[in-house]
Amino acid sequence: AQSVTQLGSHVSVSEGALVLLRCNYSSSVPPYLFWYVQYPNQGLQLLLKYTSAATLVKGINGFEAEFKKSETSFHLTKPSAHMSDAAEYFCAVSEASASKIIFGSGTRLSIRP
Amino acid sequence: GAVVSQHPSRVICKSGTSVKIECRSLDFQATTMFWYRQFPKQSLMLMATSNEGSKATYEQGVEKDKFLINHASLTLSTLTVTSAHPEDSSFYICSARDPKVNTEAFFGQGTRLTVV
Repeated sequence: AQSVTQLGSHVSVSEGALVLLRCNYSSSVPPYLFWYVQYPNQGLQLLLKYTSAATLVKGINGFEAEFKKSETSFHLTKPSAHMSDAAEYFCAVSEASASKIIFGSGTRLSIRP
Repeated sequence: GAVVSQHPSRVICKSGTSVKIECRSLDFQATTMFWYRQFPKQSLMLMATSNEGSKATYEQGVEKDKFLINHASLTLSTLTVTSAHPEDSSFYICSARDPKVNTEAFFGQGTRLTVV
């Protein structure tokens, strides 16, 4: 069975500071990994995805994530936080290209002025 | 990216009635669609996987007779909440996978269901 664990339900950083959201996965096969962002009362927007190509994945809005198989991790980072980055972030895993996507519990990112 | 349209965005219904939520893939054919439920400040919980032309596969603990899923065409899946109760109030989100871009799922904007 596949699963993801997001460490920290709430992360708060200052504007301009580094953003680091942690995600560890469990999968019996090489996984597809995703990071999504959700703003209040809205659907999900894909930030980036890992599909067994480059281990460092660059996404939208300056976010990137690195797949580390040895650590079963897929942490999300952004060098400099912006106020508009405040939202809920979900890490997700899928075992195959057409199979279901399983979500982590989410991390709420707050940005301090 | 591909567009998934979910309708309605908000619905209020009375206890005991049924409500239907539609999920459409607007510019691609989705052989597989997924239905999720999200409680306030919580994650998305997969309810069922909907395959075009066949019965949906429900996750453990999801009542198939209460949450009826139909996927009659490659661009439309529906979720019907039958005999709704206040505890069914939630945010429901659908997603669809595009076989041409099969590593990514596209999500609808969600439906806020309130049962009074």
